[in-house]
Amino acid sequence: QKEVEQNSGPLSVPEGAIASLNCTYSDRGSQSFFWYRQYSGKSPELIMSIYSNGDKEDGRFTAQLNKASQYVSLLIRDSQPSDSATYLCAVNFSGGGNKLTFGTGTQLKVEL
Amino acid sequence: DGGITQSPKYLFRKEGQNVTLSCEQNLNHDAMYWYRQDPGQGLRLIYYSQIVNDFQKGDIAEGYSVSREKKESFPLTVTSAQKNPTAFYLCASSILHRTEAFFGQGTRLTVV
Repeated sequence: QKEVEQNSGPLSVPEGAIASLNCTYSDRGSQSFFWYRQYSGKSPELIMSIYSNGDKEDGRFTAQLNKASQYVSLLIRDSQPSDSATYLCAVNFSGGGNKLTFGTGTQLKVEL
Repeated sequence: DGGITQSPKYLFRKEGQNVTLSCEQNLNHDAMYWYRQDPGQGLRLIYYSQIVNDFQKGDIAEGYSVSREKKESFPLTVTSAQKNPTAFYLCASSILHRTEAFFGQGTRLTVV
């Protein structure tokens, strides 16, 4: 069974701090990794994709991938109350075609 | 505007009824997907299609059916055989051989 694991949270951080969200996955051969943001009652929105080891930065967001440790993370710098949402990690497992497998998500709360 | 349109936004089903959820995209994407999300849980794949007139079962296909007669459309029927259909249903699409998936607004189905 190929799985994506996330801590459900809630993760609470003060406004302006760095939020760190983590995800582990079970298939070492996986190639594509994604972070989606989902506000309550809304559909997921793609915010980051990463395909190779290392860091990828986009504005306040940084995705980090370590394939040897089967670990992907999302850092949100200068966290804002509008970042409060559930963050879903998604992995395209090897041999899975285009399909994505999602974790259960981590709820982030940014407090004033 | 290009995007993925799901309708209706809210749907109520009586016991024993079949209902069909609509998903239309004008992104010229080849692949389309249906996911189900239950409260506090991640997304689970119901069915997916990579080309017209072809589709595959996902992890939880029992009680559901789909068709892909046009590239732009991928309707999902929730049949009476689905014993616990109350959930948030999400349609997504992607370019073939690319795993970045983009979501519609979702349909919230409730059994009454």
